[in-house]
Amino acid sequence: DAGITQSPRHKVTETGTPVTLRCHQTENHRYMYWYRQDPGHGLRLIHYSYGVKDTDKGEVSDGYSVSRSKTEDFLLTLESATSSQTSVYFCAISDRDSYNEQFFGPGTRLTVL
Amino acid sequence: GESVGLHLPTLSVQEGDNSIINCAYSNSASDYFIWYKQESGKGPQFIIDIRSNMDKRQGQRVTVLLNKTVKHLSLQIAATQPGDSAVYFCAEDENYGQNFVFGPGTRLSVLP
Repeated sequence: DAGITQSPRHKVTETGTPVTLRCHQTENHRYMYWYRQDPGHGLRLIHYSYGVKDTDKGEVSDGYSVSRSKTEDFLLTLESATSSQTSVYFCAISDRDSYNEQFFGPGTRLTVL
Repeated sequence: GESVGLHLPTLSVQEGDNSIINCAYSNSASDYFIWYKQESGKGPQFIIDIRSNMDKRQGQRVTVLLNKTVKHLSLQIAATQPGDSAVYFCAEDENYGQNFVFGPGTRLSVLP
């Protein structure tokens, strides 16, 4: 998985609780991304980062926030989890501005009860 | 926003046959396309990519074809093997690597 780890790999939580997912890379890539994957929707971009402290919203950013204080770490936070946020979350990285594939982590399966 | 779609949600092929997975895209401004393979319980894995100034690109047992006239992308897998069984996604890049749009995926099943 191109030097990308995600933690935790599985989490079950209750509605209304805060949740933070972590993505860690050892590739020193500039760009990092958070996606969610749901049946029938494919991968949808939540947020992405183009450098330390530089982040931007993706297609489905409502209810999520991110932070990147170090090149290697990109955190995704659900401030108050809802059942609609039950999904599999993938982190991805890439190292160039254009024409460059994204490498994906192993994913985190989150269940919100 | 514009989206990428797939003609067939499932595809079953005999081991040893060639597989063709299709993808339609709608954003004529997209200039970079990727095919990913995703096995159960794993993250997507890069297979092959192609830029819009090309119409064909070959890798090991895989070929991607791009027809910009009809906005169609295909992935050809030669001599399909059991290990090729997975979900395959196409993705288009609308913004120089900043905005990949993924299709819902096609499940490829290789029959013995």
